[in-house]
Amino acid sequence: EDKVVQSPLSLVVHEGDTVTLNCSYEVTNFRSLLWYKQEKKAPTFLFMLTSSGIEKKSGRLSSILDKKELFSILNITATQTGDSAIYLCAVLYNNNDMRFGAGTRLTVKP
Amino acid sequence: EAQVTQNPRYLITVTGKKLTVTCSQNMNHEYMSWYRQDPGLGLRQIYYSMNVEVTDKGDVPEGYKVSRKEKRNFPLILESPSPNQTSLYFCASTRQGGFAYGYTFGSGTRLTVV
Repeated sequence: EDKVVQSPLSLVVHEGDTVTLNCSYEVTNFRSLLWYKQEKKAPTFLFMLTSSGIEKKSGRLSSILDKKELFSILNITATQTGDSAIYLCAVLYNNNDMRFGAGTRLTVKP
Repeated sequence: EAQVTQNPRYLITVTGKKLTVTCSQNMNHEYMSWYRQDPGLGLRQIYYSMNVEVTDKGDVPEGYKVSRKEKRNFPLILESPSPNQTSLYFCASTRQGGFAYGYTFGSGTRLTVV
């Protein structure tokens, strides 16, 4: 069965901490992995990763994919309260199938 | 402004009363999809559409119908809602081959079935 598993499900840190969020997957015909940030409303797109070992970076956020071990990590350095959100991992596979993980709820305390 | 518009934002209804949640996008996207989001389960795909008159089931299609008569609209129909369909629903769209830019999501519809 195709699945996407995120860990941890919930995480509480203090401002300035660095966090690592994990996403592992088992799907047929993997195409790419996407990260989204969901605050109060709709998810917003962060990154898409297709190739192993190539880091995508945007400000304090970075992500990398390991297609051999079937996982990705999302790093956030020097966290701020505005980083508090649910972070969703999604995998695109087969032709146009997309499966989301359950999400990691990150809370950053001042 | 490029966007996906869902209506209504909030809806409380009774078991068995047919309802429609509308979704419209102004980006000329071919691909549209409906998801429901439940605590601990993430986003689960209900139905998707690759283009006009082309729809297919996602992971949790039972109890839902969709149609795609025009490119911009993709309504979600609950013929006989039940309490287990209480959830947060999102419509999303992207152009064919456009997953590199991710989905554009609507603002969500919070549905409560009593």
